[in-house]
Amino acid sequence: AQKVTQAQTEISVVEKEDVTLDCVYETRDTTYYLFWYKQPPSGELVFLIRRNSFDEQNEISGRYSWNFQKSTSSFNFTITASQVVDSAVYFCAVNSNSGYALNFGKGTSLLVTP
Amino acid sequence: DAGVIQSPRHEVTEMGQEVTLRCKPISGHNSLFWYRQTMMRGLELLIYFNNNVPIDDSGMPEDRFSAKMPNASFSTLKIQPSEPRDSAVYFCASSYRRESNSPLHFGNGTRLTVT
Repeated sequence: AQKVTQAQTEISVVEKEDVTLDCVYETRDTTYYLFWYKQPPSGELVFLIRRNSFDEQNEISGRYSWNFQKSTSSFNFTITASQVVDSAVYFCAVNSNSGYALNFGKGTSLLVTP
Repeated sequence: DAGVIQSPRHEVTEMGQEVTLRCKPISGHNSLFWYRQTMMRGLELLIYFNNNVPIDDSGMPEDRFSAKMPNASFSTLKIQPSEPRDSAVYFCASSYRRESNSPLHFGNGTRLTVT
């Protein structure tokens, strides 16, 4: 079975602060895939990034960066110089070759205040 | 490209009534998923289809829930009879299942309220 734990339920930061959202996953599969999704207040779920288990290189996209550490089963997401528009619920998810669907964590609600 | 289209956006109904949620996946996608989101349980997978065939419906709460995919461009999720505990946001998602890392593309969801 696969499981994702997002221990941080809510985070509040002031604009321009850096913030890291934690994600710890469990899977018995040797090949698996990790995802992050964003759910803004409007409610839609927006795909941000995917990473496969063989690629441990960190990735940076603008103010967003992701740190994948297989040794600790973590796939953390950092927003640099946060902005009010980053306020949303962020979900981490995992799936594998043996499964079609994504298993989501409970999400972290991020509030960025001016 | 049009994204995943769900209807209605909001549904308010009384307990005991039948509710039908609809989904049009992205053209060319061959996998379709129904998720339910609640505060208590987060995002739960209800059922998914591959090439219009239900693959896993173990997440469907009980017999009151049923889902169909009569063709590649349409799916329904039906609740009969509805109960207040079914109140949630129901998301439909689709993907092109060629590789396991295909991201799911979600619709805007249907917010269901059962009174």
